[in-house]
Amino acid sequence: GAVVSQHPSRVICKSGTSVKIECRSLDFQATTMFWYRQFPKQSLMLMATSNEGSKATYEQGVEKDKFLINHASLTLSTLTVTSAHPEDSSFYICSAINYPGLAGGETQYFGPGTRLLVL
Amino acid sequence: KNQVEQSPQSLIILEGKNCTLQCNYTVSPFSNLRWYKQDTGRGPVSLTIMTFSENTKSNGRYTATLDADTKQSSLHITASQLSDSASYICVVSVSGGYQKVTFGIGTKLQVIP
Repeated sequence: GAVVSQHPSRVICKSGTSVKIECRSLDFQATTMFWYRQFPKQSLMLMATSNEGSKATYEQGVEKDKFLINHASLTLSTLTVTSAHPEDSSFYICSAINYPGLAGGETQYFGPGTRLLVL
Repeated sequence: KNQVEQSPQSLIILEGKNCTLQCNYTVSPFSNLRWYKQDTGRGPVSLTIMTFSENTKSNGRYTATLDADTKQSSLHITASQLSDSASYICVVSVSGGYQKVTFGIGTKLQVIP
């Protein structure tokens, strides 16, 4: 099956610093990527949808100036958590599909996740 | 409001036993339903996907069923193995928009020897 990678897998940073997380589709071109956040014992929550070459679409309540998303190529999307605070500590997961739209039959391929701890 | 409810929240079974996980949804208009397995600290991995017209789908020891009339799905795991210990997430998609995906909170399964 298709492979999506994330880097880094784990990051610890000081409050106030910025952290960049990369999401790559390794064997297919992903026109659309998704960024999720998952707190302990909770389900994945969609943060934003990222389309190659255009601005990301953010879900209600997600600060676009705090969570900067760049989808500059068909295989790479980045999420930058700016001025991170302890409450941003979470598990961040990206996913990708290889063409726009999730009609019946497509599969979303998830990355392994990035554990962020802000001290 | 689109919702996906899963039960039980957690389950402990002996290795080799079977188990069934439940998923009820109120998502509309329905497009498809997926079951994912998520190991602790890892991203979800797809197990099965079913559209409106499919009522059962198997993937090895995993068998998913779908009743679109009652809006219920189940995931049956046969002859459980220790490696089946994980969270199993039911995900329902709405037709017409790729961002309209609703995740269940998951069922945490623990298989013990």
